[in-house]
Formats: sequence, C-alpha cells, structure tokens
Amino acid sequence: SAVISQKPSRDICQRGTSLTIQCQVDSQVTMMFWYRQQPGQSLTLIATANQGSEATYESGFVIDKFPISRPNLTFSTLTVSNMSPEDSSIYLCSAFLDEQYFGPGTRLTVT
Amino acid sequence: AQKVTQAQTEISVVEKEDVTLDCVYETRDTTYYLFWYKQPPSGELVFLIRRNSFDEQNEISGRYSWNFQKSTSSFNFTITASQVVDSAVYFCALSEEIQGAQKLVFGQGTRLTINP
Repeated sequence: SAVISQKPSRDICQRGTSLTIQCQVDSQVTMMFWYRQQPGQSLTLIATANQGSEATYESGFVIDKFPISRPNLTFSTLTVSNMSPEDSSIYLCSAFLDEQYFGPGTRLTVT
Repeated sequence: AQKVTQAQTEISVVEKEDVTLDCVYETRDTTYYLFWYKQPPSGELVFLIRRNSFDEQNEISGRYSWNFQKSTSSFNFTITASQVVDSAVYFCALSEEIQGAQKLVFGQGTRLTINP
C-alpha cells in the first residue's frame, strides 16, 4: 500500500490570492492525479501529472488557473491561482500503485 | 465518453437492515476497472474494491458484497446487517487506463445514513 500526504490539510484564503498544495507519495509513481471535490459534489479530475512533462488538463481546467509541478517521482504541487469563492473545494491528489490511492485532501475555503 | 450513474442520492435505513447501492456505468473500452470508495464525514477516501472488467465473479468481504453484471453495465454494492459506522458517502468509479495508471470517473455518490 501507499501513503499519500498533503499539505496544507486546510486553509482559508482571500479572494485573488493563490495557494499551492503539496502532495507527497511514499513510493515512486509515474503518474499522479489531481481531483477537485466541490461542496456536496463528486470528485472531478483536474489534471494528470507525469514526471518530466507538462500536466494534461481535463476539459474545463486550464494551466493558468491550476498550474502543476511534478519535479520527481514522489512529489507534485497544484496551485490554485487568483482564487474566487467558487474555488472553495477539497483538492485531492492521487497515485496508482497496486491500487488507486488518494491523499487525505486539502480543504480550501475562499472568502 | 465514460459515465458513472449512481441514481440514489441518499439512502436512510435502520441499523441491521441490508442496503444495496446501485451503480451503472457507460464505457466504450473493452478493458476497464470499476471501484467503490467510502468517504466518511472526516473526508478521506477509503478504497473498498477494484474489479476488472473481465472478472464477473461476485465478491464478498465480510458484510460487504459486490455484484458485477456486464450485461447490464452495473456494479452494485450491498451492505448486510448495516451498522452506524457504515454511514458515509459512497462513490462508484470507472477507470480509463493511461500508460499503466488509472484515471477515474466518479459517480455522484450516494449518502448512506444508518440510524440506530
């Protein structure tokens, strides 16, 4: 099994600012995924992050708003830029080893 | 496009009752995986099961069982003798394989409340 940690676990941010979320996996993985879960909703994939290449974004998500870094095989960051209240969500990172594992999530509130 | 439908938004039962959560999926892939996750009030996603599209055997794990029927594109989840600790939101998900890793499409979730 894998252990995935995320920082911060939660944050309250002002409109117009940016927040960078860190995701650390205790094993090397080729691909990492970032999901968003808006209040009371299901999970939606934001992007797939492959080490050494640019992230691939899903429809409705763009790099300028959600830039992603993937500097090595165990780490990734997601930045939520120029935040608005609509960005208030739980952001989860995920990685596949023998199973699809999820981090504990970062609960973001934008005021 | 892949799609997962969980028609039951909320279910409420009394403890010890059996409860079935429905999941219907759409995919054009011949090889895929189906998942169930539990999300308790604390928010983390707890992995319950992964099922390969070629394996239609039903699975039982303690009080949990899963019925996979490819003919009806369904992957239903039953909890037998439910307990209050089973209260959570349950998500069904369908995978798309990308370079050996799996990108998931989630259903809308079913909020299950078990009343004492």
